Amino acid sequence: GDSVTQTEGPVTLSEGTSLTVNCSYETKQYPTLFWYVQYPGEGPQLLFKVPKANEKGSNRGFEATYNKEATSFHLQKASVQESDSAVYYCALSDPNSGTYQRFGTGTKLQVVP
Amino acid sequence: GPKVLQIPSHQIIDMGQMVTLNCDPVSNHLYFYWYKQILGQQMEFLVNFYNGKVMEKSKLFKDQFSVERPDGSYFTLKIQPTALEDSAVYFCASSLGLGGPYAEQFFGPGTRLTVL
Repeated sequence: GDSVTQTEGPVTLSEGTSLTVNCSYETKQYPTLFWYVQYPGEGPQLLFKVPKANEKGSNRGFEATYNKEATSFHLQKASVQESDSAVYYCALSDPNSGTYQRFGTGTKLQVVP
Repeated sequence: GPKVLQIPSHQIIDMGQMVTLNCDPVSNHLYFYWYKQILGQQMEFLVNFYNGKVMEKSKLFKDQFSVERPDGSYFTLKIQPTALEDSAVYFCASSLGLGGPYAEQFFGPGTRLTVL
């Protein structure tokens, strides 16, 4: 079945450093890929989604490229801020599987001054 | 943007009692979900619901759990009876579709359930 594997957290970074959160997926079809962010005390919210292979999604300085060959969708940011401290979830949704969107286990990011 | 509401924001009950968590999903959405998040841990899928039926559920969705959405009103999660390990934040979500880009889920702010 469909599955998502992402970097195990927690990840602690200093402000101004770069971030990469790895996300790999398994599916038989051609999914849409998502990144969600959950700030403390809130529900998750969509960061961005990419429905097509080889395209890039971006929002708030974060970006990820849908790499079909490598089955990856790594989240990157060049310079993190303290306000980026949150849990990040990678997810996939296969339009033909008839099943619900699959989330990864989440990666907790802590950015320190 | 579209919002999912959850009522109440916090519920405290004694072990063994029944509790109902309420969710007001995005108005034109068709698919509904519940997730459980224990303090300090990541969110875990419980169940999804469509057209009046449970579509899929996880091992966390115990026999004491039930969901319904009578006549397009609130989408509810009922736990009867509650146990200490049910203490968690429960997130409701809804989506327009099941697969592809329409599968984007919109989440509520959560209901913190404390079982004493």
